[in-house]
Amino acid sequence: DQQVKQNSPSLSVQEGRISILNCDYTNSMFDYFLWYKKYPAEGPTFLISISSIKDKNEDGRFTVFLNKSAKHLSLHIVPSQPGDSAVYFCAASLTLYNTDKLIFGTGTRLQVFP
Amino acid sequence: ETGVTQTPRHLVMGMTNKKSLKCEQHLGHNAMYWYKQSAKKPLELMFVYSLEERVENNSVPSRFSPECPNSSHLFLHLHTLQPEDSALYLCASSQDWGSSSEKLFFGSGTQLSVL
Repeated sequence: DQQVKQNSPSLSVQEGRISILNCDYTNSMFDYFLWYKKYPAEGPTFLISISSIKDKNEDGRFTVFLNKSAKHLSLHIVPSQPGDSAVYFCAASLTLYNTDKLIFGTGTRLQVFP
Repeated sequence: ETGVTQTPRHLVMGMTNKKSLKCEQHLGHNAMYWYKQSAKKPLELMFVYSLEERVENNSVPSRFSPECPNSSHLFLHLHTLQPEDSALYLCASSQDWGSSSEKLFFGSGTQLSVL
């Protein structure tokens, strides 16, 4: 059973508009969340993260929101650019007995068109 | 240029072959990882090495055998694989292991096809 879910396999957004990528999780013990971005033929690269003690983290055009009561996080990209077209993976981390496990979602493919 | 280099980029092998995937990190990190990404599935952690010692083995079949000769190199030895093992195999590294906030740096992966 998947603990981290990205229910939208793809998203298409016009350049300049806001892109909102969603992620849901089931384990309330997760204490850290990360977003990775993956271009074709490349490995995922770290984009932005948020600790469970916060509800928002912003880095330039990218903002991650965390709603712990809903077990939901989202990544906002504004304004969206064609170079943002990639697959975005949500990941959640659980620190238990000094062993961290990073659980990934299946990814959402974002396409930003002119 | 990525700090984590994987070779080969593509590999096609028969079920009776033996092959090895190689990973090298140039970031001075202490932890290295093997992940598997199958189509439409999440990335799955296979192995973790911290300071050249294996610290995690997620019930991976014995036909996958990791090796970490030093903190910069990681291998995944493959033998008698099955067609369902066809996937993208990603190597990653992080500064240390054991922190929930640890960021992973990934290589470009090896796309493996088992015939």
